[in-house]
Amino acid sequence: GENVEQHPSTLSVQEGDSAVIKCTYSDSASNYFPWYKQELGKRPQLIIDIRSNVGEKKDQRIAVTLNKTAKHFSLHITETQPEDSAVYFCAAKFNKFYFGSGTKLNVKP
Amino acid sequence: GAVVSQHPSRVICKSGTSVKIECRSLDFQATTMFWYRQFPKQSLMLMATSNEGSKATYEQGVEKDKFLINHASLTLSTLTVTSAHPEDSSFYICSATPPLTTNEKLFFGSGTQLSVL
Repeated sequence: GENVEQHPSTLSVQEGDSAVIKCTYSDSASNYFPWYKQELGKRPQLIIDIRSNVGEKKDQRIAVTLNKTAKHFSLHITETQPEDSAVYFCAAKFNKFYFGSGTKLNVKP
Repeated sequence: GAVVSQHPSRVICKSGTSVKIECRSLDFQATTMFWYRQFPKQSLMLMATSNEGSKATYEQGVEKDKFLINHASLTLSTLTVTSAHPEDSSFYICSATPPLTTNEKLFFGSGTQLSVL
């Protein structure tokens, strides 16, 4: 089955700095890569996604890049704010969703 | 976005009892729903895929007699933890995908924190 690895497990940045979270996947058949944000005790919320036929997608301060050849994709958050603090999960999907282990992002004011 | 409702949000039970968790899609019909388990500070582990009108598909290592799944309608799936034990204590969360999204756009319920004493 698919194996999704996510790094780093924790990330601390100063407000206004950029944050980058990276994921790799093993199954070349995976064709959809969403990113979820989960605040403590709450449900994961989809923040951005990318399909395998696209290399980059941007939505305001959030962007995702995908390198199909290398089988890795990354989440980029620019101009971070304290409210960006949460756990972020990447996922890869072909028939099922497989999630990364999560990154706890702490944005220090 | 689509709304998935999950109840209860928190349940405390005695060891040996059974607990039922409900997952509802409020504004769309879901032929398939997914049940995940999440340990503290860890990722979402897929337990099973709930299929409306047929048997659920369980992931390897998940006991189907322990975690009973029923998907009797297009808007409701239930997970019953039978004869619960302290090691079953965890955060359980369901998800569903609205139609016309090519089985993408996974929307999650609010989760159920189960504590077995």
